[in-house]
Amino acid sequence: SQKIEQNSEALNIQEGKTATLTCNYTNYSPAYLQWYRQDPGRGPVFLLLIRENEKEKRKERLKVTFDTTLKQSLFHITASQPADSATYLCALDIKGGSYIPTFGRGTSLIVHP
Amino acid sequence: KAGVTQTPRYLIKTRGQQVTLSCSPISGHRSVSWYQQTPGQGLQFLFEYFSETQRNKGNFPGRFSGRQFSNSRSEMNVSTLELGDSALYLCASSPEGGSYGYTFGSGTRLTVV
Repeated sequence: SQKIEQNSEALNIQEGKTATLTCNYTNYSPAYLQWYRQDPGRGPVFLLLIRENEKEKRKERLKVTFDTTLKQSLFHITASQPADSATYLCALDIKGGSYIPTFGRGTSLIVHP
Repeated sequence: KAGVTQTPRYLIKTRGQQVTLSCSPISGHRSVSWYQQTPGQGLQFLFEYFSETQRNKGNFPGRFSGRQFSNSRSEMNVSTLELGDSALYLCASSPEGGSYGYTFGSGTRLTVV
């Protein structure tokens, strides 16, 4: 069956370091992959979308890579700040499907001052 | 521009009752999707509406229904509420569908007692 896996353990890092979050998937052929940020009690906020034919995408301090061979996406936040502390969700659709994204369970990032 | 607006923000209902949640998408967005989020299951897709038609549906019982009006505003209804329906219900809009990224509302926190 199709599965999206994100590390359920919280990632704790020191301010100023680069945070790297992982999203692995199985039995999918996604056309694209998205990353969202979610704060407690709020809706997810869209950050980046990367398509299957793209290897890397950047936006300010954020970088996403997409390796369809490894079936993995990495999400990097450089020069992390305590305000980056949140849960980060990846979502991907199925190629040729309805383009409805299926979400992973998310990884909590805690940036310590 | 205004974001996605969901009302009400909080709701407490008794088992067996029914509830209607409302969502106003971003102006110009024709696709509205609904998600249920619980700690145990994460974000689960309920259904998507596009131009007043249900275009996609998730694996939820028929007690969960929705509709979209000509101005793209959407409502979802849950009948015969069960304790397990307690969750954060999120509405998301996009211009055409999930392949452009979603803008989520802040959600409606439903508690069934």
